Amino acid sequence: GAGVSQSPSNKVTEKGKDVELRCDPISGHTALYWYRQSLGQGLEFLIYFQGNSAPDKSGLPSDRFSAERTGGSVSTLTIQRTQQEDSAVYLCASSPRTVHQFFGPGTRLTVL
Amino acid sequence: AQRVTQPEKLLSVFKGAPVELKCNYSYSGSPELFWYVQYSRQRLQLLLRHISRESIKGFTADLNKGETSFHLKKPFAQEEDSAMYYCALISYNTDKLIFGTGTRLQVFP
Repeated sequence: GAGVSQSPSNKVTEKGKDVELRCDPISGHTALYWYRQSLGQGLEFLIYFQGNSAPDKSGLPSDRFSAERTGGSVSTLTIQRTQQEDSAVYLCASSPRTVHQFFGPGTRLTVL
Repeated sequence: AQRVTQPEKLLSVFKGAPVELKCNYSYSGSPELFWYVQYSRQRLQLLLRHISRESIKGFTADLNKGETSFHLKKPFAQEEDSAMYYCALISYNTDKLIFGTGTRLQVFP
């Protein structure tokens, strides 16, 4: 595909369960970002991968959140022991060497 | 601290009226500023960036360093402009976008 893709598009889980969210960036884009979009909170930066450099994890809200990027391409955001406040839309974006970021459609996470 | 402030959560206008979506920023240095837009059931996309100094879909935004503002303007709003608008800045030594909380623009017929 031509754009950033994310799966699943919707995820409903029970409090305390672990979830994995997937992002497929645009081929050739070296940078990959995760953001969280909550009602009334805007877009919150979570984590940033650039090439082979160590990721910038400064936005992760707690140690329950982690992310990997395998082979410089696909990324997985994992949330352990989900809480109701984790409910949000999780957006992934990728970028070539320029600063223009291309966003995926998002995964809507609902924690019951 | 780097911060982007969008003071209005909701802006409602009638078709044909002028629109100004406010954005103020806090950044030490020379920031690069953007406006992103998210139409209903579509993904977030870049609308314009200040260094391009271009007009997209009739929208313009001028960087005012004295007032640390980057307001988005359009002289005559259209119904299809109804969307969520986010102002964002990026620093040159990182590639992280810092977003404001967004303004929902509603254009009534």
